[in-house]
Amino acid sequence: DGGITQSPKYLFRKEGQNVTLSCEQNLNHDAMYWYRQDPGQGLRLIYYSQIVNDFQKGDIAEGYSVSREKKESFPLTVTSAQKNPTAFYLCASSTRAGGEKLFFGSGTQLSVL
Amino acid sequence: GNSVTQMEGPVTLSEEAFLTINCTYTATGYPSLFWYVQYPGEGLQLLLKATKADDKGSNKGFEATYRKETTSFHLEKGSVQVSDSAVYFCALSTVQGAQKLVFGQGTRLTINP
Repeated sequence: DGGITQSPKYLFRKEGQNVTLSCEQNLNHDAMYWYRQDPGQGLRLIYYSQIVNDFQKGDIAEGYSVSREKKESFPLTVTSAQKNPTAFYLCASSTRAGGEKLFFGSGTQLSVL
Repeated sequence: GNSVTQMEGPVTLSEEAFLTINCTYTATGYPSLFWYVQYPGEGLQLLLKATKADDKGSNKGFEATYRKETTSFHLEKGSVQVSDSAVYFCALSTVQGAQKLVFGQGTRLTINP
Protein backbone atom coordinates (compact mmCIF):
# COMPACT_ATOMS: atom_id res chain seq x y z
CA ASP A 1 0.00 0.00 0.00
CA GLY A 2 1.24 3.48 -0.83
CA GLY A 3 1.56 6.03 1.91
CA ILE A 4 3.70 8.06 4.23
CA THR A 5 5.56 6.44 7.10
CA GLN A 6 6.77 8.41 10.07
CA SER A 7 9.00 6.98 12.74
CA PRO A 8 9.28 6.68 15.59
CA LYS A 9 5.76 7.15 16.91
CA TYR A 10 7.10 8.46 20.23
CA LEU A 11 10.46 10.12 20.82
CA PHE A 12 12.12 11.59 23.89
CA ARG A 13 14.81 14.23 23.82
CA LYS A 14 17.28 15.08 26.52
CA GLU A 15 18.47 18.62 27.13
CA GLY A 16 21.07 19.70 24.58
CA GLN A 17 20.43 16.74 22.32
CA ASN A 18 19.60 16.74 18.62
CA VAL A 19 17.00 14.24 17.48
CA THR A 20 15.92 13.23 13.99
CA LEU A 21 12.40 12.33 12.91
CA SER A 22 12.03 10.10 9.90
CA CYS A 23 9.55 10.56 7.05
CA GLU A 24 9.38 8.22 4.06
CA GLN A 25 6.84 8.17 1.24
CA ASN A 26 6.29 5.72 -1.59
CA LEU A 27 3.67 7.81 -3.40
CA ASN A 28 6.20 9.21 -5.90
CA HIS A 29 5.31 12.72 -4.71
CA ASP A 30 7.60 15.61 -5.54
CA ALA A 31 6.73 17.87 -2.60
CA MET A 32 7.11 17.09 1.10
CA TYR A 33 6.34 19.10 4.22
CA TRP A 34 6.86 19.16 7.97
CA TYR A 35 4.23 20.60 10.29
CA ARG A 36 4.16 21.07 14.03
CA GLN A 37 0.90 20.56 15.95
CA ASP A 38 0.47 21.93 19.46
CA PRO A 39 -2.62 21.33 21.63
CA GLY A 40 -5.40 23.79 20.82
CA GLN A 41 -3.49 25.23 17.88
CA GLY A 42 -3.55 24.62 14.19
CA LEU A 43 -0.71 23.11 12.21
CA ARG A 44 2.27 25.34 11.60
CA LEU A 45 4.66 24.81 8.70
CA ILE A 46 8.29 24.18 9.64
CA TYR A 47 9.97 23.34 6.31
CA TYR A 48 8.93 22.19 2.89
CA SER A 49 10.66 20.78 -0.15
CA GLN A 50 9.39 20.96 -3.71
CA ILE A 51 12.12 18.84 -5.27
CA VAL A 52 15.14 16.76 -4.34
CA ASN A 53 18.09 18.75 -2.98
CA ASP A 54 15.96 21.83 -2.42
CA PHE A 55 13.94 23.01 0.57
CA GLN A 56 12.51 26.24 2.01
CA LYS A 57 11.78 27.53 5.49
CA GLY A 58 8.22 27.69 6.64
CA ASP A 59 6.76 29.88 9.36
CA ILE A 60 8.63 28.37 12.34
CA ALA A 61 11.94 27.01 11.00
CA GLU A 62 14.17 28.24 13.83
CA GLY A 63 15.72 25.36 15.76
CA TYR A 64 15.00 22.82 13.02
CA SER A 65 16.89 21.48 10.01
CA VAL A 66 16.00 19.21 7.11
CA SER A 67 17.55 17.45 4.13
CA ARG A 68 16.12 16.09 0.89
CA GLU A 69 18.72 13.83 -0.63
CA LYS A 70 16.16 11.36 -1.98
CA LYS A 71 12.69 11.89 -3.37
CA GLU A 72 11.25 9.40 -0.90
CA SER A 73 12.78 10.80 2.27
CA PHE A 74 12.54 14.11 4.16
CA PRO A 75 14.02 13.77 7.66
CA LEU A 76 13.57 16.53 10.24
CA THR A 77 16.21 17.25 12.88
CA VAL A 78 15.12 19.04 16.03
CA THR A 79 18.25 20.74 17.27
CA SER A 80 19.20 21.82 20.78
CA ALA A 81 18.45 25.39 19.67
CA GLN A 82 14.73 24.56 19.67
CA LYS A 83 13.83 25.49 23.23
CA ASN A 84 10.28 24.21 23.21
CA PRO A 85 10.32 21.04 21.12
CA THR A 86 7.50 19.15 22.80
CA ALA A 87 4.83 18.78 20.13
CA PHE A 88 3.25 16.42 17.63
CA TYR A 89 5.11 16.48 14.32
CA LEU A 90 3.36 15.66 11.06
CA CYS A 91 4.98 14.96 7.72
CA ALA A 92 3.01 15.39 4.50
CA SER A 93 3.48 15.11 0.76
CA SER A 94 1.68 16.22 -2.37
CA THR A 95 1.60 15.16 -6.00
CA ARG A 96 3.46 18.17 -7.31
CA ALA A 97 5.02 21.30 -6.05
CA GLY A 98 2.03 23.46 -5.37
CA GLY A 99 -0.48 20.64 -5.09
CA GLU A 100 -3.26 21.50 -2.67
CA LYS A 101 -4.19 18.01 -1.46
CA LEU A 102 -1.78 16.88 1.20
CA PHE A 103 -1.28 13.28 2.27
CA PHE A 104 -0.22 13.02 5.90
CA GLY A 105 1.72 10.50 7.93
CA SER A 106 0.47 9.36 11.33
CA GLY A 107 2.82 11.65 13.23
CA THR A 108 5.60 11.57 15.84
CA GLN A 109 5.06 12.77 19.40
CA LEU A 110 8.27 14.38 20.69
CA SER A 111 8.69 15.02 24.39
CA VAL A 112 11.52 16.47 26.45
CA LEU A 113 12.90 14.45 29.35
CA GLY B 1 -2.20 38.29 7.05
CA ASN B 2 -4.09 35.13 6.27
CA SER B 3 -5.81 33.34 9.11
CA VAL B 4 -8.51 30.81 9.89
CA THR B 5 -10.71 30.79 12.96
CA GLN B 6 -12.77 27.77 13.99
CA MET B 7 -15.34 27.37 16.71
CA GLU B 8 -13.81 26.23 19.93
CA GLY B 9 -14.21 22.65 20.97
CA PRO B 10 -14.67 20.16 22.17
CA VAL B 11 -18.05 19.50 20.64
CA THR B 12 -20.07 16.57 21.97
CA LEU B 13 -23.22 15.33 20.24
CA SER B 14 -25.46 12.32 20.30
CA GLU B 15 -25.63 9.97 17.35
CA GLU B 16 -27.93 11.19 14.54
CA ALA B 17 -27.70 14.82 15.68
CA PHE B 18 -27.10 17.68 13.24
CA LEU B 19 -23.57 18.99 13.15
CA THR B 20 -22.24 22.44 12.42
CA ILE B 21 -18.61 23.45 12.92
CA ASN B 22 -18.07 27.11 12.17
CA CYS B 23 -15.08 28.37 10.22
CA THR B 24 -14.30 31.93 9.17
CA TYR B 25 -11.26 33.22 7.40
CA THR B 26 -9.25 36.32 6.63
CA ALA B 27 -7.29 36.33 3.42
CA THR B 28 -5.88 38.50 0.70
CA GLY B 29 -6.90 37.47 -2.75
CA TYR B 30 -9.26 34.60 -3.44
CA PRO B 31 -8.47 31.58 -1.31
CA SER B 32 -9.31 27.95 -1.80
CA LEU B 33 -10.89 26.47 1.33
CA PHE B 34 -10.54 23.00 2.83
CA TRP B 35 -11.70 20.77 5.63
CA TYR B 36 -9.27 18.13 6.86
CA VAL B 37 -10.12 15.42 9.40
CA GLN B 38 -7.80 13.71 11.87
CA TYR B 39 -9.04 10.41 13.31
CA PRO B 40 -7.50 9.20 16.59
CA GLY B 41 -3.89 8.14 16.18
CA GLU B 42 -3.75 9.07 12.51
CA GLY B 43 -2.58 11.89 10.27
CA LEU B 44 -4.87 14.37 8.58
CA GLN B 45 -7.01 13.45 5.58
CA LEU B 46 -8.63 15.83 3.12
CA LEU B 47 -12.39 15.73 3.72
CA LEU B 48 -13.63 18.28 1.19
CA LYS B 49 -12.68 21.48 -0.56
CA ALA B 50 -14.08 24.44 -2.49
CA THR B 51 -12.07 26.65 -4.79
CA LYS B 52 -14.36 29.60 -5.51
CA ALA B 53 -17.26 31.53 -4.07
CA ASP B 54 -20.59 29.66 -3.81
CA ASP B 55 -18.92 26.30 -4.47
CA LYS B 56 -20.10 23.48 -2.23
CA GLY B 57 -17.68 20.76 -1.23
CA SER B 58 -19.12 17.45 -0.08
CA ASN B 59 -17.88 14.05 1.02
CA LYS B 60 -19.09 11.26 3.33
CA GLY B 61 -22.29 13.18 4.13
CA PHE B 62 -20.39 16.33 5.11
CA GLU B 63 -20.92 19.59 3.26
CA ALA B 64 -19.44 23.09 3.32
CA THR B 65 -20.29 26.09 1.16
CA TYR B 66 -17.80 28.81 0.29
CA ARG B 67 -19.46 32.07 1.39
CA LYS B 68 -17.42 35.03 0.23
CA GLU B 69 -19.84 37.61 1.63
CA THR B 70 -19.46 36.26 5.16
CA THR B 71 -15.92 34.87 4.67
CA SER B 72 -17.10 31.53 6.01
CA PHE B 73 -16.84 27.83 5.23
CA HIS B 74 -18.95 26.10 7.87
CA LEU B 75 -18.92 22.31 7.99
CA GLU B 76 -22.29 20.54 8.29
CA LYS B 77 -23.64 17.02 8.47
CA GLY B 78 -27.27 16.09 8.83
CA SER B 79 -26.89 12.97 10.97
CA VAL B 80 -23.60 12.19 12.67
CA GLN B 81 -22.32 8.76 13.60
CA VAL B 82 -19.97 7.55 16.31
CA SER B 83 -17.36 6.98 13.60
CA ASP B 84 -17.33 10.72 12.86
CA SER B 85 -15.54 11.36 16.17
CA ALA B 86 -12.31 13.11 15.20
CA VAL B 87 -10.59 16.48 15.07
CA TYR B 88 -11.65 18.69 12.17
CA PHE B 89 -9.40 21.37 10.69
CA CYS B 90 -10.44 24.20 8.43
CA ALA B 91 -7.72 25.52 6.13
CA LEU B 92 -7.13 27.98 3.30
CA SER B 93 -4.70 28.42 0.47
CA THR B 94 -4.29 31.71 -1.31
CA VAL B 95 -1.80 30.68 -3.91
CA GLN B 96 -1.38 27.60 -6.04
CA GLY B 97 0.62 25.78 -3.44
CA ALA B 98 0.00 23.48 -0.53
CA GLN B 99 3.00 25.04 1.16
CA LYS B 100 0.81 28.08 1.71
CA LEU B 101 -1.94 26.20 3.52
CA VAL B 102 -3.00 27.99 6.71
CA PHE B 103 -4.85 25.85 9.26
CA GLY B 104 -7.35 26.70 11.94
CA GLN B 105 -6.78 25.41 15.45
CA GLY B 106 -8.94 22.33 15.01
CA THR B 107 -12.24 21.32 16.61
CA ARG B 108 -12.51 18.03 18.49
CA LEU B 109 -15.82 16.27 17.86
CA THR B 110 -17.09 13.42 20.01
CA ILE B 111 -20.25 11.52 19.09
CA ASN B 112 -21.92 9.47 21.80
CA PRO B 113 -24.08 6.44 20.94
